[in-house]
Amino acid sequence: EIVLTQSPGTLSLSPGERATLSCRASQSVSGNLLVWYQQKPGQAPRLLIYGASSRATGIPDRFSGSGSGTDFTLTISRLEPEDFAVYYCQQYGSSVWTFGQGTKVEIK
Amino acid sequence: QVQLQESGPGLVKPSGTLSLTCAVSGDSLSSKSWWNWVRQPPGKGLEWIGEVYHGGTTNYNPSLKSRVTISIDKSKNQFSLTLTSVTAADTAIYYCARDTQYDNSWGFDYWGQGTLVTVSS
Repeated sequence: EIVLTQSPGTLSLSPGERATLSCRASQSVSGNLLVWYQQKPGQAPRLLIYGASSRATGIPDRFSGSGSGTDFTLTISRLEPEDFAVYYCQQYGSSVWTFGQGTKVEIK
Repeated sequence: QVQLQESGPGLVKPSGTLSLTCAVSGDSLSSKSWWNWVRQPPGKGLEWIGEVYHGGTTNYNPSLKSRVTISIDKSKNQFSLTLTSVTAADTAIYYCARDTQYDNSWGFDYWGQGTLVTVSS
């Protein structure tokens, strides 16, 4: 089973700043099966990025995903107030989905 | 508009069985999507439980496989989760979600609002 490790655990930034979130896999992940979600308190997760780099419907272009193999990155180019949330990466391999433990982006 | 809605008891006794149902509207369970259960202990991260396809094919989290059954009822357009021998560690918000293919990839694009299940005597 592939383990996903996200870093940092918490990212303290100000609105307008750039956020860079990392997701590292214990084994190589098929890039088309690496996904990112955003979750706000009291809400279900929301699909942001699929296939490592494709934005889901309605997701602003300040969100971008990149990476391959074992290292993937979610970048938020300029943080808006509504972007402060927890972000999870997810991968599919050997008929099993796994999630990373999450990165919290908080207001500094 | 696709909507998913979880339902079931909010309290289950230790060693008992947790049973939840997810009613789907706006899409057919016979579509080319997989239907999933995900849980989240209070204040913690997401854990995938398992998935079912319209033909009845299932995949489960290896850590839960011995206790989990996910089934599908296409006549009612709903799918269900059964988790046996529950303990306090199974206390969580349980979400159902649709996994759909986008281009050559997949993602959970629609989620239920989640339902809190507490395991306690």
